[in-house]
Amino acid sequence: EAGVAQSPRYKIIEKRQSVAFWCNPISGHATLYWYQQILGQGPKLLIQFQNNGVVDDSQLPKDRFSAERLKGVDSTLKIQPAKLEDSAVYLCASSLGPSGANVLTFGAGSRLTVL
Amino acid sequence: AQSVAQPEDQVNVAEGNPLTVKCTYSVSGNPYLFWYVQYPNRGLQFLLKYITGDNLVKGSYGFEAEFNKSQTSFHLKKPSALVSDSALYFCAVRDIDGTAGNKLTFGGGTRVLVKP
Repeated sequence: EAGVAQSPRYKIIEKRQSVAFWCNPISGHATLYWYQQILGQGPKLLIQFQNNGVVDDSQLPKDRFSAERLKGVDSTLKIQPAKLEDSAVYLCASSLGPSGANVLTFGAGSRLTVL
Repeated sequence: AQSVAQPEDQVNVAEGNPLTVKCTYSVSGNPYLFWYVQYPNRGLQFLLKYITGDNLVKGSYGFEAEFNKSQTSFHLKKPSALVSDSALYFCAVRDIDGTAGNKLTFGGGTRVLVKP
């Protein structure tokens, strides 16, 4: 089966600019996640969708980050305006459903550098 | 709140020797535990998980992990390491009965370097 697709793979912007990342999950996976992985740290959950509804966005900095999953398939994560501390790899993952036993399948990630 | 600790930033081992990567967790309910591996410029790949049943779990690429409830640990092991096992390893936990919902929380990662 095709994996989780993410684009762009790399993005360099200046602070206060905006950026958007796109994710296409595995076909049939109802649950989609966005994680932020800062260099030297483990991934941190930003937002979790179940179909097109938000399940958990408690760690999403809502003053600058937004995400949507229209039609319950693809998802977009946007940052506006970006700060230096947003430099990280943004990982998208999907799973069959929200069950705790389900395994997450990750994409290759989108690496953001904010100058 | 749930948390995961990986006490070693890096583990060095000679090829052919046993490999152990340590993980301890903290949850208020019962844990589901996972190990993922990350190779350079790639996403995380699933290795194995503990949900219930036998405390010794076997996974991909010859890896196994042992769930120890009394010590709240889930150490990853491989009897004979390969140079190709060099990567970044992450332990993760879900607290299925606690207040964190189904959130998967990751540890900080352990870099494994296997020398020929």
